[in-house]
Amino acid sequence: GENVEQHPSTLSVQEGDSAVIKCTYSDSASNYFPWYKQELGKGPQLIIDIRSNVGEKKDQRIAVTLNKTAKHFSLHITETQPEDSAVYFCAASITGNQFYFGTGTSLTVIP
Amino acid sequence: IAGITQAPTSQILAAGRRMTLRCTQDMRHNAMYWYRQDLGLGLRLIHYSNTAGTTGKGEVPDGYSVSRANTDDFPLTLASAVPSQTSVYFCASRREAANTGELFFGEGSRLTVL
Repeated sequence: GENVEQHPSTLSVQEGDSAVIKCTYSDSASNYFPWYKQELGKGPQLIIDIRSNVGEKKDQRIAVTLNKTAKHFSLHITETQPEDSAVYFCAASITGNQFYFGTGTSLTVIP
Repeated sequence: IAGITQAPTSQILAAGRRMTLRCTQDMRHNAMYWYRQDLGLGLRLIHYSNTAGTTGKGEVPDGYSVSRANTDDFPLTLASAVPSQTSVYFCASRREAANTGELFFGEGSRLTVL
């Protein structure tokens, strides 16, 4: 099956700085790559996703990039705010099949 | 809008006991999933159901069973709980299994097996 690796496991940044979380996947057939944010005591929520026919996608302060050749994708958060503090999960999926999640990154934004 | 409701939110259970975690969704989604979340291991799929009346095994199905008698409900049963099943369990759903699309998660059920 698919294997998704996520780095770093913890990340601390100063408010206003950028944060980058990286994931790699093993199955070249994977074609959908969502990112989920999990706040303390809550379930994960989708924040952005990208499909394999796109190299980059932005939504305000959040962007995701995909390199299919290298089989890696990254989450970029600019101008970080304290409310961005959470655990972030990447995932990879083949259309119609299950999602494989990374092991999570705990992001702390220091005011 | 409730989305996905899980119960109980937290439970302490003696080893060997039977336990059912409940999950109900009101979005009329066809596909439903159970994940367990463990520190350093992320979210791992236990069982899934692509539509009412069907179920399938995920990455870590041993010791768990599910049923899908109707669209809305997807209970997860631990027949004889063991300490390694101590975890946070999340139920999730999406509109259709056949397409990629957003997974909606419940708030989780924290289970401790002693």
